[in-house]
Amino acid sequence: ETGVTQTPRHLVMGMTNKKSLKCEQHLGHNAMYWYKQSAKKPLELMFVYNFKEQTENNSVPSRFSPECPNSSHLFLHLHTLQPEDSALYLCASSLRAYNEQFFGPGTRLTVL
Amino acid sequence: AQKVTQAQTEISVVEKEDVTLDCVYETRDTTYYLFWYKQPPSGELVFLIRRNSFDEQNEISGRYSWNFQKSTSSFNFTITASQVVDSAVYFCALSEVLTGANNLFFGTGTRLTVIP
Repeated sequence: ETGVTQTPRHLVMGMTNKKSLKCEQHLGHNAMYWYKQSAKKPLELMFVYNFKEQTENNSVPSRFSPECPNSSHLFLHLHTLQPEDSALYLCASSLRAYNEQFFGPGTRLTVL
Repeated sequence: AQKVTQAQTEISVVEKEDVTLDCVYETRDTTYYLFWYKQPPSGELVFLIRRNSFDEQNEISGRYSWNFQKSTSSFNFTITASQVVDSAVYFCALSEVLTGANNLFFGTGTRLTVIP
C-alpha cells in the first residue's frame, strides 16, 4: 500500500463505547497529525506528533486520546464521546515541518 | 479572527470555463507558507501546491495557476478550461513560523461544481 491509510472508513458508536481510529503512513515521514472536519467549519488541527513526540494538543477534550507508537502509525482512542463529536477525522503526515501534508481518506464517525 | 478567508462558499461553472478561487490570509509573520488542497467527494485531501512567503512568482501547472500577491495578502487559484473532474471542495491553508510550522490554518473551503 502507498500513501496514508485510515481504518475504519466508517464508524458508528454509542456514547458509552470505546473505539480506536488507526492511521498508517507508508511515505517515510516524520510528522503525523489528526484533524477534525465538521460541516461548515474549517478543518481543526487536533494533535501533532513529530518523531513520535506529541508537539501540539489544540485544547482537545480528554475523551480523545492519541497514541503514536512509531513514526508510521498513529491512533486516536475514543471514549464517552458526545453526538457533537460526529465528524470526519482525517490523518495526515509530512516529511518535516513546513513540508506539505499528505492526507488519508478519513474516518466518518457518527456518535449516537 | 480567521487567518484564512475563502469568501466564495460555492461556485458553479460550465465545463471549459475558467474559474478563479480566492484566498485571503492574515499573518504578522514574515516567514510563512501557503497551500492549496483539493477535496473530491471521496473525502481525501489532495495536496496541490506550497509557496513560501519569499517567493512571489506565479506558478503554472497544466490547467492550474496560482497568483500570490503579498501586497493584498492573497493567494488565488485559477483553473483554466475547467473539467467535470475538477468538481471538489478546494481549501487554502496557511502555516506560520511564529505559531509553529506544524500548525496549518485552513479556510472554510470553496465548493466548485463544474457542469457538463
